[in-house]
Amino acid sequence: SQKIEQNSEALNIQEGKTATLTCNYTNYSPAYLQWYRQDPGRGPVFLLLIRENEKEKRKERLKVTFDTTLKQSLFHITASQPADSATYLCALAQVQKVTFGTGTKLQVIP
Amino acid sequence: GAVVSQHPSRVICKSGTSVKIECRSLDFQATTMFWYRQFPKQSLMLMATSNEGSKATYEQGVEKDKFLINHASLTLSTLTVTSAHPEDSSFYICSASSGLAGGLQETQYFGPGTRLLVL
Repeated sequence: SQKIEQNSEALNIQEGKTATLTCNYTNYSPAYLQWYRQDPGRGPVFLLLIRENEKEKRKERLKVTFDTTLKQSLFHITASQPADSATYLCALAQVQKVTFGTGTKLQVIP
Repeated sequence: GAVVSQHPSRVICKSGTSVKIECRSLDFQATTMFWYRQFPKQSLMLMATSNEGSKATYEQGVEKDKFLINHASLTLSTLTVTSAHPEDSSFYICSASSGLAGGLQETQYFGPGTRLLVL
């Protein structure tokens, strides 16, 4: 069966460190993968999109990698700040459909 | 750019009544809109996909007669929860996409969500 797994229910890191979040999937062949941020009681906010033929994408302090052989995407936040605390969702896109993972809650400790 | 609004943000209703939630794309034309439901600490569950001017496509297990979706224009979609019951209480989120690219949906832009509580 198809499955999207994001590491840990919660991830705590110290301010200034790099946070690394994982998204693993099975039985999918996504054309692209997206990362979203969701704050409590709010809708998700789009962060980055990476296509199947791209290895890495960067945007300011954010970096996403996509390994279709390992069926894994890594999401990095460098120089993390308390304001980065939120739940981060990965989403896999296949033809006509996007499926979301359960999310990883990130807590950046001052 | 790419702002999506939802109204109302919170609604409390009595069991048996119907509730309408509006989703608007404010600065772009949304050929496709999506409706999701999210339970606490769980991911987004897609309920249905609607394209402007045509009937919505519902996901397996979602009752189309209970969750009525209308996408009458390129900037507005509505979700009506008919004869609401306490088990319908949830966080409902819409998203909008500006179109297809090679047969795939590009980035979805999400509304802020609507918290529904049915008493």
